[in-house]
Amino acid sequence: DIQMTQSPSSLSASAGDSVTITCRASQSISHYLNWYQQQPGKAPKLLIFGASNLHRGVPSRFSGSGSGTDFTLTISGLQPEDFATYYCQQSFFNFPLTFGGGTKVQI
Amino acid sequence: QVHLVESGGGVAQPGGSLRLSCEASGFTFNKNAMHWVRQAPGKGLEWVAVISYDGTKKHTADSVKGRFSISRDNSQNTIYLQMDSLRPEDTAVYYCARDPGNYDWLLNFESWGQGTLVSVSS
Repeated sequence: DIQMTQSPSSLSASAGDSVTITCRASQSISHYLNWYQQQPGKAPKLLIFGASNLHRGVPSRFSGSGSGTDFTLTISGLQPEDFATYYCQQSFFNFPLTFGGGTKVQI
Repeated sequence: QVHLVESGGGVAQPGGSLRLSCEASGFTFNKNAMHWVRQAPGKGLEWVAVISYDGTKKHTADSVKGRFSISRDNSQNTIYLQMDSLRPEDTAVYYCARDPGNYDWLLNFESWGQGTLVSVSS
């Protein structure tokens, strides 16, 4: 199985800050990496697919980069609604599909 | 607009069974693979199963293999998760999710339902 490791597991920030979350795969997954946002009590939402492609309707302050084993999600200019938990997920046509452990962005 | 509604959750005893349903609307259902993803209370996300657009290909996580099975009825725009031999560690919110690939899977989760809670306890 491909293991996905996110860091940090939580971070504190203020509105307007820029934050970066890292996700590392246990083997190369090319660009097959997706990011999700989950607000408390709600279903996750797709933010970024294919490492760097913004899902429709997602604000441009979200960006993703990376390939191979190392990936990052950056939020530039945190908004109040961005305080949530973020998950990476690999889709390298290899079952099982796996998620990182999550990063909680809090005030 | 894609709309996914899960149902069938509830309380079950260890060793018992439940069948979850996910009814879809707002898109051409028979073009897309569909997934089940679960989240134990206070924990992260765990992929459970996928079924291809036509139901001919299926994969399940090792943690549920041999106990859970995924199926679909394209005439009813619905997927199912039959859950047998339930264990306390299966307690979770179960989400269905749409795969964005057309007639193939891309293996990410473009749209999600609101989830249904399964509790396994004696």
